Amino acid sequence: DAKTTQPPSMDCAEGRAANLPCNHSTISGNEYVYWYRQIHSQGPQYIIHGLKNNETNEMASLIITEDRKSSTLILPHATLRDTAVYYCIVRVSRNTGKLIFGQGTTLQVKP
Amino acid sequence: NAGVTQTPKFQVLKTGQSMTLQCAQDMNHNSMYWYRQDPGMGLRLIYYSASEGTTDKGEVPNGYNVSRLNKREFSLRLESAAPSQTSVYFCASSDSGIGNQPQHFGDGTRLSIL
Repeated sequence: DAKTTQPPSMDCAEGRAANLPCNHSTISGNEYVYWYRQIHSQGPQYIIHGLKNNETNEMASLIITEDRKSSTLILPHATLRDTAVYYCIVRVSRNTGKLIFGQGTTLQVKP
Repeated sequence: NAGVTQTPKFQVLKTGQSMTLQCAQDMNHNSMYWYRQDPGMGLRLIYYSASEGTTDKGEVPNGYNVSRLNKREFSLRLESAAPSQTSVYFCASSDSGIGNQPQHFGDGTRLSIL
């Protein structure tokens, strides 16, 4: 299994950029990196995904290192509503599409 | 655009009762999934459907059955509910068969078995 390692918790000041790291040193060449978040009692929300190039959308930016062994999710201007558990995921099975959600990073945005 | 809609949002059952959890998506996605989420266990895949007309077991299928009714709908049935099935159930869908497209989740069904 391609597993990911994330810090258990992080704090960020409201209005500042939140940089969430993820290690995925065993990722295979054709596996994408996905980021989701889960706000208390809601379903996981897709944020962004990428293979090897940096990606940006209306929610966040994804920076993937050249060796693909780690990545960083950037929320450019964190708000209180961004407080959530953030999951970095590498899809394991191309047959099932199974997503392995690890422990994630609990991001606390503070005023 | 509703995305993925799950019903009901909450349900309490007695041991041995049966029920069906409903899931519908309006994104014209081919693939649909059922997960359960338990404290400290993360999300575990119960069943999935790569395309209309096909279903396959995930990692924890025992005690469940599924039906891919059409492209939009994917239901999960508990034939004889057990307390161990108390959980939050999430349905998800994704575009294309299986590939790099992300899965989009519903808001879940919170199920308690007494």
